[in-house]
Amino acid sequence: EAGVVQSPRYKIIEKKQPVAFWCNPISGHNTLYWYRQNLGQGPELLIRYENEEAVDDSQLPKDRFSAERLKGVDSTLKIQPAELGDSAVYLCASSKAAYQFFGPGTRLTVL
Amino acid sequence: DAKTTQPPSMDCAEGRAANLPCNHSTISGNEYVYWYRQIHSQGPQYIIHGLKNNETNEMASLIITEDRKSSTLILPHATLRDTAVYYCIVREFQGAQKLVFGQGTRLTINP
Repeated sequence: EAGVVQSPRYKIIEKKQPVAFWCNPISGHNTLYWYRQNLGQGPELLIRYENEEAVDDSQLPKDRFSAERLKGVDSTLKIQPAELGDSAVYLCASSKAAYQFFGPGTRLTVL
Repeated sequence: DAKTTQPPSMDCAEGRAANLPCNHSTISGNEYVYWYRQIHSQGPQYIIHGLKNNETNEMASLIITEDRKSSTLILPHATLRDTAVYYCIVREFQGAQKLVFGQGTRLTINP
C-alpha cells in the first residue's frame, strides 16, 4: 500500500513569492491534515479536512495561507506571499480511524 | 499546548533496551497515550498506543502506571535505526482530532 505522497520535497523561494505544496493521501482515507514543523519543534496543525470540508482551520494564517481538497482526495496548500518566517517543513497526513500516517514533508526555505 | 513532558534527549547503547519516560499528569479518563517517532528527514511514524494496560507490538512496549500519570516506551533491543525524536501524545481514541506534539525526546543510539 502506497503511503502519503507529497511534492515537492524541497522548495527554495525568495520572500514575497508564492508557493504551493501538493499531497496525495492514502487511498480511502477521508481525513487529511496539514501540519507545519519549525526547526527543533514538533509539528503543529494548520488545517484538517473531512472529505472536502475543512473542519478545523483555526491555526491557518488566512491572510496568506489557503488550502483546498477538491473531490475529497488530493490537497494543495498555498502561501502567497511567502515571508521569511514561513521557512519550515510542511507535513501532510491522512487517517481513516485514530491512526495518522504522515508523508515525508516539504522543506520550504524562504530567502 | 502539549499535555506531556519528556526529557529533551537520551542516549542508549546499541543492543540495549531504551526506556523513554513521559509524564502526563493531567490525562483524563477517556484519553489514550500515543507514541510516535520521527526519523531525520521523514514524517512522524506511529509506534504504539494504550489506555491503561501495558501494550506490546513488534516495535515496542508501552508501560503505563496505575494512576496513568506517566508512561514508559521501551525499545527492547535498540538499533542504530532507532535514532529519532520520540513524541508522547495524549488524545482521545475516537474521531480524527489533531495530534498535539510537544518537543519530544531526541534518542541517540550509540554503536
